[in-house]
Amino acid sequence: EVQLVESGGGLVQPGRSMKLSCAASGFTFNNYDMAWVCQAPKKGLEWVATISYDGSSTYYRDSVKGRFTISRDNAKSTLYLQMDSLRSEDTATYYCARQRGIKVPFDYWGQGVMVTVSS
Amino acid sequence: DVLMTQTPVSLPVSLGGQVSISCRSSQSLVHSDGNTYLHWYLQKPGQSPQLLIYRVSNRFSGVPDRFSGSGSGTDFTLKISRVEPEDLGVYYCLQSTHFPPYTFGAGTKLELK
Repeated sequence: EVQLVESGGGLVQPGRSMKLSCAASGFTFNNYDMAWVCQAPKKGLEWVATISYDGSSTYYRDSVKGRFTISRDNAKSTLYLQMDSLRSEDTATYYCARQRGIKVPFDYWGQGVMVTVSS
Repeated sequence: DVLMTQTPVSLPVSLGGQVSISCRSSQSLVHSDGNTYLHWYLQKPGQSPQLLIYRVSNRFSGVPDRFSGSGSGTDFTLKISRVEPEDLGVYYCLQSTHFPPYTFGAGTKLELK
């Protein structure tokens, strides 16, 4: 059974950093691209970032470029999102999701982790 | 970026009924490889989103055949027949043809009349 379990969320002040983790199990992690998708409170879904199966390619939405870094450790089957220079508008639930490239994006999702950016 | 427009925003339904949700893109979703990368998700209350339909009309594993997707170019439809209580929630379309970025529609809330 595919399982994705996020951790690392919480309350953080504007301008500070936070690192999210996503532990994967039930599939061969290094065969799949992975992504982070966020959802602001009472709002819709927004793609944040994607990393290729081997970590060689990364992609970001414009609003997080230069502030967020997606990475992975295939030996630990874990996905990360380093979030720097956080802003109030980054407040959201962050989901990690498995991808089969663009052909089947986000076929499995984690339960999500809440990040609140506030002073 | 490709803009995805879903209608309606809210969709009241009776159990056992049939509904359709529309998703329109600001440009054609036909990829250079000839495929169309339009997908549908359902987010049930208090849950993570789940994939229903990928590449316009392919049901994901375990998705009942009450769900069907159709469309081409810029105009797509998700149909749900014989609506059951577990079908209630917010439906999102997503395009991955013109990536990056992936873009979702704003969502359609399916709720009981």
